Parts: sequence; C-alpha cells; structure tokens
Amino acid sequence: GAGVSQSPSNKVTEKGKDVELRCDPISGHTALYWYRQSLGQGLEFLIYFQGNSAPDKSGLPSDRFSAERTGGSVSTLTIQRTQQEDSAVYLCASSPQGTLNYGYTFGSGTRLTVV
Amino acid sequence: AQSVTQLDSHVSVSEGTPVLLRCNYSSSYSPSLFWYVQHPNKGLQLLLKYTSAATLVKGINGFEAEFKKSETSFHLTKPSAHMSDAAEYFCVVSDLQGGKLIFGQGTELSVKP
Repeated sequence: GAGVSQSPSNKVTEKGKDVELRCDPISGHTALYWYRQSLGQGLEFLIYFQGNSAPDKSGLPSDRFSAERTGGSVSTLTIQRTQQEDSAVYLCASSPQGTLNYGYTFGSGTRLTVV
Repeated sequence: AQSVTQLDSHVSVSEGTPVLLRCNYSSSYSPSLFWYVQHPNKGLQLLLKYTSAATLVKGINGFEAEFKKSETSFHLTKPSAHMSDAAEYFCVVSDLQGGKLIFGQGTELSVKP
C-alpha cells in the first residue's frame, strides 16, 4: 500500500480482556517498529523487527505484551489481560532497511482505551 | 546511550513571526537526528533529517534545522509561522544499536492570528 496501515483505528476494551492490534507496513520495508504514546507523553519504544533477525523486545513494558511479524510483513501486537494504564495510542512505523539514512513512515495509530 | 531533550514543552508565536523549537541531544557517537510533526488526530510526519551530510538541513513546509556538534543542538526554525504550523513537534535521535528512534517529550507549537 501507499502508507503504513493500522487497524483498528480505535479500540475500547474492558479491563482484563486481551486485544490485538494490527500493522500493515509499506510493501518492501524490512524494518517494523511499535511505539506507544500515552497522554501528554513522548513516544515510548516497544519492539523492533528487522528482516529475519530476532526482534528487539527491550521496550516491552511487561510480559503481557507480545508481538509477532508473519512472513516479514504484517505485524500483530497483543496485549493480554489489559489494564487501565495500557490506554494509549499505539503507533507502528516501517523503514526500508532500518538504517539511519532512511525516514521512518508512521501509521495513524490505534487508540486503545481500557475501561 | 542516546537521549534528546526538548527545552520547551510549549511555544506560542504570532502568525508571520519566526519559529524556534529547541532540541539538545546526547550521543556517544555522531548521531542521526530527525524532526517529526504531529497534527491533532494525525500520524507522525517526517519534517527533516540530519545524517552527517550538510549541517544545515532543509525540510518540508519551510522548516530547517542546523546541527551544531559543539553545542549538541539541533534546533528547528522557520522564518514565518503559518496557522497550519500549529502542531506537536518531536526531536528524535537514532539508536545505532538497533536502528530504533529515541523521541523527545515534544513541543506544542501554537500560532496566534
């Protein structure tokens, strides 16, 4: 596609439920990132996929968070047993090679509200 | 480790006057630096990037930024503000280790008519 596509754009869930957020990167981009933006906060790095390498999971806040990337394309971020502090906008970005000289294209995000 | 500090959480200017958004970085090597803009309820858009070429970088919508190694700064400027420039601006430094981006806390720019 022309840009990074994220779905759903908005998600309201009850505390304790599991949610899945989807990211469809730009075709051909080998690097994919997940970030979280909480109200009034900057962007917090969550996880990074680069090609077939093991993902960098150093930013995941707890073991309730996990992500996978199938076939080097679409990625799913899963949050289990959601808590109210998980409420945030979850942003996905992709990059042609995950290197410094390329811009990172962000999706419009998924706004997650845990009630 | 790399880090970035945006010195102002909020900047307010009048339409037609210059814009200055300040950013200082910390890096143990020559960094790559970016400015992103986020309009309300919109995604992040790349304004410009510095990757060790020219120190004065021109971006979209008339914005530019100058990399000053001696001052560890990468301030964003624009000669004349437009109402459409009102948005949140993020200064970003790259992490060579993983290619991930480290974001500043953001500066909200307001433009008064």
